[in-house]
Amino acid sequence: NAGVMQNPRHLVRRRGQEARLRCSPMKGHSHVYWYRQLPEEGLKFMVYLQKENIIDESGMPKERFSAEFPKEGPSILRIQQVVRGDSAAYFCAGTTSGNYNEQFFGPGTRLTVL
Amino acid sequence: SQQGEEDPQALSIQEGENATMNCSYKTSINNLQWYRQNSGRGLVHLILIRSNEREKHSGRLRVTLDTSKKSSSLLITASRAADTASYFCATASVRGNQGGKLIFGQGTELSVKP
Repeated sequence: NAGVMQNPRHLVRRRGQEARLRCSPMKGHSHVYWYRQLPEEGLKFMVYLQKENIIDESGMPKERFSAEFPKEGPSILRIQQVVRGDSAAYFCAGTTSGNYNEQFFGPGTRLTVL
Repeated sequence: SQQGEEDPQALSIQEGENATMNCSYKTSINNLQWYRQNSGRGLVHLILIRSNEREKHSGRLRVTLDTSKKSSSLLITASRAADTASYFCATASVRGNQGGKLIFGQGTELSVKP
């Protein structure tokens, strides 16, 4: 959706490198969700953040993955020591107050791990 | 199996025909949302129906929700070739859900032939 920015749109990394994905939600949206979409599958929830707080990270792999949403600047999803299985499309979505509202999705970042 | 399963997995129709997609889910929900995704793109929000609503319309879209059967349907009337996309239902469950994260189904791939 127009207004939700994700960059880069495409990211290629070699195994063992770090991937850093950015998401800037629409103005006024202080709640961000990250989802991952594997090929031929639906989206799977990873993490829900408000400014400076992680509210729900129940969908995040226990290792190598982290997320933040600082007071200023975009939300960052960081994947350390990437493996081939991390290749996927990563989408962020923003909303105004969380809790059961419409979520506005960005165009996604397609990560390819060689 | 996970919340929000659509059927059919794939649907091919002629332009002008109606397309119906179904979604089933397992737990109590606050709302159910339908999204559209064109190949290789982000998600576009189509419609949100809350648990106390039974039917909702938006242009050529009609969504129904039956909470007793834990199912929803999306009807697209007078389909167009431009409706070709994948359609996902997503539920925001009530239990153990901090902040309204969405659980997506696997999607229905709709192909509308001109």
